[in-house]
Amino acid sequence: DAGVIQSPRHEVTEMGQEVTLRCKPISGHNSLFWYRQTMMRGLELLIYFNNNVPIDDSGMPEDRFSAKMPNASFSTLKIQPSEPRDSAVYFCASSLEVVSPLHFGNGTRLTVT
Amino acid sequence: SQQGEEDPQALSIQEGENATMNCSYKTSINNLQWYRQNSGRGLVHLILIRSNEREKHSGRLRVTLDTSKKSSSLLITASRAADTASYFCATDANNAGNMLTFGGGTRLMVKP
Repeated sequence: DAGVIQSPRHEVTEMGQEVTLRCKPISGHNSLFWYRQTMMRGLELLIYFNNNVPIDDSGMPEDRFSAKMPNASFSTLKIQPSEPRDSAVYFCASSLEVVSPLHFGNGTRLTVT
Repeated sequence: SQQGEEDPQALSIQEGENATMNCSYKTSINNLQWYRQNSGRGLVHLILIRSNEREKHSGRLRVTLDTSKKSSSLLITASRAADTASYFCATDANNAGNMLTFGGGTRLMVKP
């Protein structure tokens, strides 16, 4: 199994640009999570999906952030417009159920200048 | 705010020594998990302990859970340089829809 696959691994963009992060969960997993990691705030849960349906998006910072899961094998996290304070490592993780060990991708390091 | 808080924030030991990391949390939980993160990589699940369990072992790892004190510890015995990483505890609180929230982590350095 290839594990959770995230792309791109690195993204550098200018303030105001749209950014789209992508995630392919492990086949058969029905829960998908987006986390953001920074030195200041640690790991923050942004949103999670169960069976492709968004269950809790209370961690999404503001309306500039949106996430979709059009099918069981793909999810996107979009930031529009991006700001320098969005710079962080964004992780996608999947699990068999909501309450079971998470399998993380290797993250996307986003830098907004 | 974070549900779990690790202590210490950083730990430096010699190869062969034991490493102990602690985690405290605030609300009642269903289970507690420990994860490891190598620099530049995603987190990797190490062990899960349920709220009705007090101790669990996996290889050189030993995890304890004290629900009365709302705390857990992770012990790595006979540490190796390859154990150098950050270690995080994560809890799924009863009142948080069973979502996992992570602590700030302990950065462990094992010197050869």
